[in-house]
Amino acid sequence: AQSVAQPEDQVNVAEGNPLTVKCTYSVSGNPYLFWYVQYPNRGLQFLLKYITGDNLVKGSYGFEAEFNKSQTSFHLKKPSALVSDSALYFCAVRDGGSGTYKYIFGTGTRLKVLA
Amino acid sequence: DTGVSQNPRHKITKRGQNVTFRCDPISEHNRLYWYRQTLGQGPEFLTYFQNEAQLEKSRLLSDRFSAERPKGSFSTLEIQRTEQGDSAMYLCASSLDRTNTGELFFGEGSRLTVL
Repeated sequence: AQSVAQPEDQVNVAEGNPLTVKCTYSVSGNPYLFWYVQYPNRGLQFLLKYITGDNLVKGSYGFEAEFNKSQTSFHLKKPSALVSDSALYFCAVRDGGSGTYKYIFGTGTRLKVLA
Repeated sequence: DTGVSQNPRHKITKRGQNVTFRCDPISEHNRLYWYRQTLGQGPEFLTYFQNEAQLEKSRLLSDRFSAERPKGSFSTLEIQRTEQGDSAMYLCASSLDRTNTGELFFGEGSRLTVL
């Protein structure tokens, strides 16, 4: 069965500093990995995905994520945080080799960027 | 592209009543998903459709929950004999997955409050 873990409930970072939001996963086949952001009272918005290829993927709003197969991780990063990045971030995984099209989400990490 | 549309956005009902939510996916998206999200948690998978076929349903889903996508376009999620524990945000998402690697596009959600 596929699963996702986001070990931090909240991450605080000063504006202008780099940020990292952690995600680890477990699948039996090939991992298809995704990051989403959710602002208050809104739906989830897609940020970026890893399917195959380069381990560093770039996405919307200056975010990027690094796929690490040996550590089964897919951490979200941004070189310089903005106050407007403050939101709830979700990592998701789909097992690309299992024949299912079910996406499993983590419990979320609240990012707070302090001015 | 008008995005994924969900109605109603808010529903307050009394315990024991039936409720129905509707989701209109992005036009031509072949897959449609329902998730449930409670406060402080990540989206929990309920079910998904490929065209009109319901391909997978969460084992956690009570038989009080039923979903349909009769013509492969819009979908409805019905909850019968609602309980207070059903109070949550119900999220719909769709994807156009010709390469089987696509991301989900979410609606704004339908918030259910059971009194």
